[in-house]
Amino acid sequence: GAVVSQHPSRVICKSGTSVKIECRSLDFQATTMFWYRQFPKQSLMLMATSNEGSKATYEQGVEKDKFLINHASLTLSTLTVTSAHPEDSSFYICSARDSDRVDEQYFGPGTRLTVT
Amino acid sequence: GIQVEQSPPDLILQEGANSTLRCNFSDSVNNLQWFHQNPWGQLINLFYIPSGTKQNGRLSATTVATERYSLLYISSSQTTDSGVYFCAVERDQAGTALIFGKGTTLSVSS
Repeated sequence: GAVVSQHPSRVICKSGTSVKIECRSLDFQATTMFWYRQFPKQSLMLMATSNEGSKATYEQGVEKDKFLINHASLTLSTLTVTSAHPEDSSFYICSARDSDRVDEQYFGPGTRLTVT
Repeated sequence: GIQVEQSPPDLILQEGANSTLRCNFSDSVNNLQWFHQNPWGQLINLFYIPSGTKQNGRLSATTVATERYSLLYISSSQTTDSGVYFCAVERDQAGTALIFGKGTTLSVSS
């Protein structure tokens, strides 16, 4: 099956700093990738849709200046949490679908961000 | 927007028991997937099932699109089946994001 990787798997940063999370599709190309966040014992909430070569589309209530998304190639999307605060601590998960197929989506293993 | 409701929210089983998890959705969908989230947070694809029935080992799923629900069956449950099971549907049109239900937390004891 298709594989999606994320890096780093876990990161701890100080309040006010920025953190970049990478999402890669390893064996397929993805025109579109998606970013979710998950708080403890809750479901996944869609943050934004990342489109290769164009601007991301953010869900209502998600600050686009705080969560910068760049989809520079067909296999890589990055999420940068800028000026992180403790309330940004969460589990961030990306997903992607093979551009040649319109069926299931595959998810990365997630990145656990802790802001101190 | 589309609503996804899962039931029950929690399920406790003895090893060897069977169970049925339900997912109701409020509008027609292009895609429906079932996932198992393991203790490390990884979402494991179980089924891509916008309609019909599929089986994979001890797991099977059925989606009745006209009635807007899907069922996930787990037979002869094992302790390794423990975790959170999510149903997710694709909103609007093909190629868009998945919207998740709140999940069913399954605990299987030996």
